[in-house]
Amino acid sequence: QSALTQPPSASGSPGQSVTISCTGTSSDVGGYNYVSWYQQHPGKAPKLMIYEVSKRPSGVPDRFSGSKSGNTASLTVSGLQAEDEADYYCSSYAGSKRGVFGGGTKLTVL
Amino acid sequence: EVQLVQSGAEVKKPGESLKISCKGSGYSFTSYWIGWVRQMPGKGLEWMGIIYPGDSDTRYSPSFQGQVTISADKSISTAYLQWSSLKASDTAMYYCATHSGQSYYFDYWGQGTLVTVSS
Repeated sequence: QSALTQPPSASGSPGQSVTISCTGTSSDVGGYNYVSWYQQHPGKAPKLMIYEVSKRPSGVPDRFSGSKSGNTASLTVSGLQAEDEADYYCSSYAGSKRGVFGGGTKLTVL
Repeated sequence: EVQLVQSGAEVKKPGESLKISCKGSGYSFTSYWIGWVRQMPGKGLEWMGIIYPGDSDTRYSPSFQGQVTISADKSISTAYLQWSSLKASDTAMYYCATHSGQSYYFDYWGQGTLVTVSS
């Protein structure tokens, strides 16, 4: 069971949009609509940002959106703000009643 | 308000045993899955396993099967993560979090427990 593949880093200027990819296989990302995304600021616990590919929990700004095509899921952050600078992790159901995380992407707001 | 409060930081020697805890409140503890996530120093999140306190149904990632034990005491709304013989490579932050079950996401997170294993 391998971790999902994310780019190590991404960046954008305030107000811009940035998209982070999360690539798996047909056994995880591609096989189920159970992709979630988490934001983690340094020294803090992760926070759920997106679940079931594109749903936002209450309180998460609509600047955050999720999508999926084939074996790749994506998180888009629109209208970047300074407080969006954080690590982002994707996760997916991986079959056999188990889950898997991606390696994480460090988002820098320039 | 859903809250998960984890036990405090631990410093242990290799070969020692350890059990860390996660107490849930503000929701029906027996009706929601709860799980554990490892984060080694400077590294990413790793899915360890989940338990349904209502019937103790437990699921482990292959990487952690046999290495740790996840349990829960529903009488005190507390989940546990246990090691019988710690290794230096177990040094990490461990988070508990409520798990959605079928949709496979973690929604509410504890503050984390730092486990340091060093001789």
